[in-house]
Amino acid sequence: QVQLVESGGGLVKPGGSLRLSCAASGFSFSDYYMTWIRQAPGKGLEWVSYISRSGDSKYYADSVKGRFTISRDNAKNSLYLQMNSLRAEDTAVYYCARSPGSFWFDSWGQGYLVTVSS
Amino acid sequence: NFMLTQPHSVSESPGKTVTISCTRSSGSIASNYVHWYQQRPGSSPTIVVYDDDQRPSGVPDRFSGSIDSSSNSASLTISGLKTEDEADYYCHSYDSGNHVFGGGTQLTVL
Repeated sequence: QVQLVESGGGLVKPGGSLRLSCAASGFSFSDYYMTWIRQAPGKGLEWVSYISRSGDSKYYADSVKGRFTISRDNAKNSLYLQMNSLRAEDTAVYYCARSPGSFWFDSWGQGYLVTVSS
Repeated sequence: NFMLTQPHSVSESPGKTVTISCTRSSGSIASNYVHWYQQRPGSSPTIVVYDDDQRPSGVPDRFSGSIDSSSNSASLTISGLKTEDEADYYCHSYDSGNHVFGGGTQLTVL
């Protein structure tokens, strides 16, 4: 069955960096767009970034543009999010999600908490 | 970029029908598909309606989606409410490289 497992989160100081990973299994990873979505504590969902099947096209929310970088390794069935210059407002649970066809999200990981605090 | 606006909360009794709206701020609601997710406390979101009105396999037919161009909004309707339907519901759409989520609606089944 489809599985998406995030890792790499944790506590980091403002201005610091962190790299999230999402390990995919149970499907042909290279056939899907992949997306990062976050949810601040007690808040709603916020799209962060998505990447095309080949990795050639990448898109970012304005709130993270220039600070976050999305990438993927289709040989390793893995999705990544490099997060630099982290701010307190980046504190959230980060989900990776799979997109079929018309950009809806049919599978989500369990999420991983990133806390930015001094 | 456009915004999607949802009511903060709705409540209804078991067995009844509830409709959650999602209004697009600019551009036509019909221009891009609208999708709906359910998020129970402590869990990841799951899709309940995609492409305006399509139901994924495994989602009960009590869940239905629609769009209304006259009000520039989408709706999620849940009929025959069950206590297990109590959750947060989010609408979502995509346009020109940007994904947009509504603020979420907390559904209470009491």
